[in-house]
Amino acid sequence: NAGVTQTPKFQVLKTGQSMTLQCAQDMNHEYMSWYRQDPGMGLRLIHYSVGAGITDQGEVPNGYNVSRSTTEDFPLRLLSAAPSQTSVYFCASNQRGNSPLHFGNGTRLTVT
Amino acid sequence: GQNIDQPTEMTATEGAIVQINCTYQTSGFNGLFWYQQHAGEAPTFLSYNVLDGLEEKGRFSSFLSRSKGYSYLLLKELQMKDSASYLCAVWGNNRLAFGKGNQVVVIP
Repeated sequence: NAGVTQTPKFQVLKTGQSMTLQCAQDMNHEYMSWYRQDPGMGLRLIHYSVGAGITDQGEVPNGYNVSRSTTEDFPLRLLSAAPSQTSVYFCASNQRGNSPLHFGNGTRLTVT
Repeated sequence: GQNIDQPTEMTATEGAIVQINCTYQTSGFNGLFWYQQHAGEAPTFLSYNVLDGLEEKGRFSSFLSRSKGYSYLLLKELQMKDSASYLCAVWGNNRLAFGKGNQVVVIP
């Protein structure tokens, strides 16, 4: 039982490049979400999903896309990376809305 | 929307008690979580309150007052490993919003 698996752990991109951050969970959780964490800003919600085929925007969605074709996977796509997207990204899942989040280990992204 | 406020940093001595406060404003409140996050790691779940009152879990306790929009996390018998950031998060309107976290530094 791996929990929430995020890849890669570290990534450096040039401005304008695109990439996908992968997230998979094996706990059959309905809810999945992506957060970014910046110094002094706390965790901010980017996008979330309440089930396969359903996604919605969080607090800071601009520049990011998501899809949820299966219960297990919730990839985050950066369409055209910008230095403002330099951050630590966390994927999380939970069984239902008011149950505890299980976090992945995070991806540290630097955009130059 | 949701607005969550936490103090930023506090220092406490090993063996002491520390109280971390969290105030919030939200529409559609459905519960409040506390998470612990060590430097360079992912947050881990500590406690959940949805009704008013105190929830005790070993050395950690969490209190909620929904009418005041207020919660606190109480850490007793502080240990060096408790040095971490403590995050308050409010569940409402189908999403979880986090405060900026409170950094607790435990000194010998």
